[in-house]
Formats: sequence, C-alpha cells, structure tokens
Amino acid sequence: AQSVTQLDSQVPVFEEAPVELRCNYSSSVSVYLFWYVQYPNQGLQLLLKYLSGSTLVKGINGFEAEFNKSQTSFHLRKPSVHISDTAEYFCAVPNQAGTALIFGKGTTLSVSS
Amino acid sequence: GAGVSQSPRYKVAKRGQDVALRCDPISGHVSLFWYQQALGQGPEFLTYFQNEAQLDKSGLPSDRFFAERPEGSVSTLKIQRTQQEDSAVYLCASSLEAGVNTEAFFGQGTRLTVV
Repeated sequence: AQSVTQLDSQVPVFEEAPVELRCNYSSSVSVYLFWYVQYPNQGLQLLLKYLSGSTLVKGINGFEAEFNKSQTSFHLRKPSVHISDTAEYFCAVPNQAGTALIFGKGTTLSVSS
Repeated sequence: GAGVSQSPRYKVAKRGQDVALRCDPISGHVSLFWYQQALGQGPEFLTYFQNEAQLDKSGLPSDRFFAERPEGSVSTLKIQRTQQEDSAVYLCASSLEAGVNTEAFFGQGTRLTVV
C-alpha cells in the first residue's frame, strides 16, 4: 500500500539558515512523489514533483528535493530560508489507482528573525 | 476564474442538518478531487471525478456523503444528517489532465463546524 511518513511535525529555524524537511515513503508501484505547501489562509500549492529522471528535483521558491530509492526518502531542502517560507509542508504519493494523492500529516516550518 | 473557488468559506451546521459545499474548478480542467482535512492532519481523499464521471468514491466515509459533477465543471459535496465528526476543512482541487500526476490546484477550502 502507498503511504508517506513525515518525520517532523514542527521545524523551527532562523532566517537564512538551511532547512531539511524529511519524508519517507512506501510504495508497491512506480514511485511518484510530491511536495505541496500551504501558506496561512491559502490553498495548497505544488512545490515540486518527482515522476522520473534526475533524482534531484528543483521546485519553486528555491526548494529542492532528492529522491533516494535505497532509503525510500524524498527530503525537501532549502539552503537559506526566508520569513515568508513559514507554512505547512506536505509530502504526498499517489494511491494505487492513480485517482488521489495520499498526504502525510504535514510539517510546520516556522522561520523567525 | 483565476483559480479554484469554493463556497461557502465557512459553514456552521447544527447536528443533523444537511449541508452542500460548492466547488468551481478552473475552466477546462478534466480532473476534480475532494479532500477532507481535519485539524492538524494532512488532507484525506474523498472522491475523484474525471469530467462528469465519478471514477473513485472510495474515500467517502459513509453513505451520508454524496458528490456530483453533473456537467463536468462545478461540483457539489453534500453531507446529510451532519455529525460532529464531520467537522473539518473540505478541500477541492482540479487539474488539467486525468489522474494525479499533473499539478493539482487547490481551493481555499470550506471550514465546516458541526455544533
């Protein structure tokens, strides 16, 4: 069965520091992986996705993620965060039927000055 | 419109009341998804439409939940005889193509509170 586990529920960091949000997945079919972001009072927005090809995926707002098949991980990284990156981040994988995304419980990234 | 629009944004219902939640997807989008997001949790799948066809309703928690998309555009999620456990944010998303591998655009959601 498909599932994702986000290992940290909250990540507090200071502005301009690097950050890594961790996601591990379980999948019995071809692996497609997604990161979505939910800013306060806004809808979820796609940050990046891995479908195939290069294991290093670059997304919007300076974020990137690396697909690691041996460790079944898809961690999200940013070398230097801004206050505006404060949001809820969700890792997701498609269900077996390809009709829905299965989301993790989310990681709250709090950036302070 | 520019994005996915959901209405109402907030709904307070008395237990036992029926509610209807509306979703206006991006024009021309083939796929439409409904998710339920409880406080502090990730979105959980409810149902999926490809045009007007409801291809997957396996996530609907009970027969009190019903969704439709009769003309392949606007969708309505109806909850009959609401219960307190139905309190959540209901999210609608649409995407240009069939399936989940293309970018889904989410609305801001409808926050349902059952009292």
